[in-house]
Amino acid sequence: GAGVSQSPSNKVTEKGKDVELRCDPISGHTALYWYRQSLGQGLEFLIYFQGNSAPDKSGLPSDRFSAERTGGSVSTLTIQRTQQEDSAVYLCASSVQGALGEQYFGPGTRLTVT
Amino acid sequence: RKEVEQDPGPFNVPEGATVAFNCTYSNSASQSFFWYRQDCRKEPKLLMSVYSSGNEDGRFTAQLNRASQYISLLIRDSKLSDSATYLCVVLTYNQGGKLIFGQGTELSVKP
Repeated sequence: GAGVSQSPSNKVTEKGKDVELRCDPISGHTALYWYRQSLGQGLEFLIYFQGNSAPDKSGLPSDRFSAERTGGSVSTLTIQRTQQEDSAVYLCASSVQGALGEQYFGPGTRLTVT
Repeated sequence: RKEVEQDPGPFNVPEGATVAFNCTYSNSASQSFFWYRQDCRKEPKLLMSVYSSGNEDGRFTAQLNRASQYISLLIRDSKLSDSATYLCVVLTYNQGGKLIFGQGTELSVKP
């Protein structure tokens, strides 16, 4: 079946511009996560959506970052006024409620801020 | 101190070798544990869950020591295809189901 998809796969933007990254989770997965991975680094948790509950935004690095999940499915991560340090691979993952540790990752969006 | 700590490596081993990775976690309330594998420039994928009694999947053995807050992964008879970064992952339900990933341990298996 279809896995987690993300778009775009690559995004190059100028410093100060806003960007939107999209994630389509696996159908039926109620949990959706966003992570960030800089070159040679581990995964940094950003935000977590679970069903209709309020999202866990504890990992968002600044108020320039926001995310929403519409209809319990597709999610969009928005970065406003991008900075060079925002350059990273942004990964989305989804899982079912009863198996939160078994996350399925999308291929990621590689963001480069020039 | 990071919540999940791993030796970043790299571990360079010959084919057929046995290699062990260690991981420690700081939150004693952590309840579920996993090993993920990440190939170069690819997304992470679940390798195996880690159970309290220890568990094995083919050449891979995972162990958990709750008292010491320590997790291990043993790979026997290493293959070239095992070359990847291995991520130790901890789930703590009182943090709402958020997974915490270690930095990863890089393994390179040479012919």
